Amino acid sequence: EIVLTQSPGTLSLSPGERATLSCRASQSVSSNFLAWYQQKPGQAPRLLIYAASGRATGIPDRFRGSGSGTDFTLTISRLEPEDFAVYYCQQYGASFVTFGGGTKVEIK
Amino acid sequence: QVQLQESGPRLVKPSQTLSLTCSVSGGSIRSHGYYWTWIRQLPGKGLEWIGYIYYNGSTSYTPSLKSRVSISVDTSKNQFSLNLTSVTAADTAVYYCARDTRLSAYQYFFDSWGQGTLVTVSS
Repeated sequence: EIVLTQSPGTLSLSPGERATLSCRASQSVSSNFLAWYQQKPGQAPRLLIYAASGRATGIPDRFRGSGSGTDFTLTISRLEPEDFAVYYCQQYGASFVTFGGGTKVEIK
Repeated sequence: QVQLQESGPRLVKPSQTLSLTCSVSGGSIRSHGYYWTWIRQLPGKGLEWIGYIYYNGSTSYTPSLKSRVSISVDTSKNQFSLNLTSVTAADTAVYYCARDTRLSAYQYFFDSWGQGTLVTVSS
């Protein structure tokens, strides 16, 4: 089973600042099978990024995904008030799916 | 745009079976390339993939729940269902149904989700 470790657990930033979220895999993951989701309280997760760097429909270009192998990054270039949420990375393994533990981006 | 909606009992007694159904609208559950999935979120925790079913009945489950879980599909009703047996308080969670899209080598993602339903295991 591939374990995804996200860091930091919590990121305290101000609107307008840049957020850099890390997702590290316990073994190499195909970039095609790495996605990022945003979840706000009381809501279902929303797809942001697929195939490590592809933006989902309707996702603003301030969200950027990058990385390969075991290290992946989600960057939010300038935080908007609606971006404060929890972010999860997710991968497709040979047999099943795993999610990272999440990074909470909170208002400083 | 496809929409998913979970339904089922919100309270289940320990040792009993948790049963949920996901109704799919705005698209056919028989469409190729879509895997119909259950994901749960324990209170205050992250997301846990439970498993999926394809329209032809093919399934895959997470190893930690494999002995207790089954997912079935009813294509005539455009629904799929989750059964989790011998539940304990540790199975209390928000249960989501979701569409797992795998249309090409570069298109693997969960792009449609139900709103989620909190199921509490308690006597």
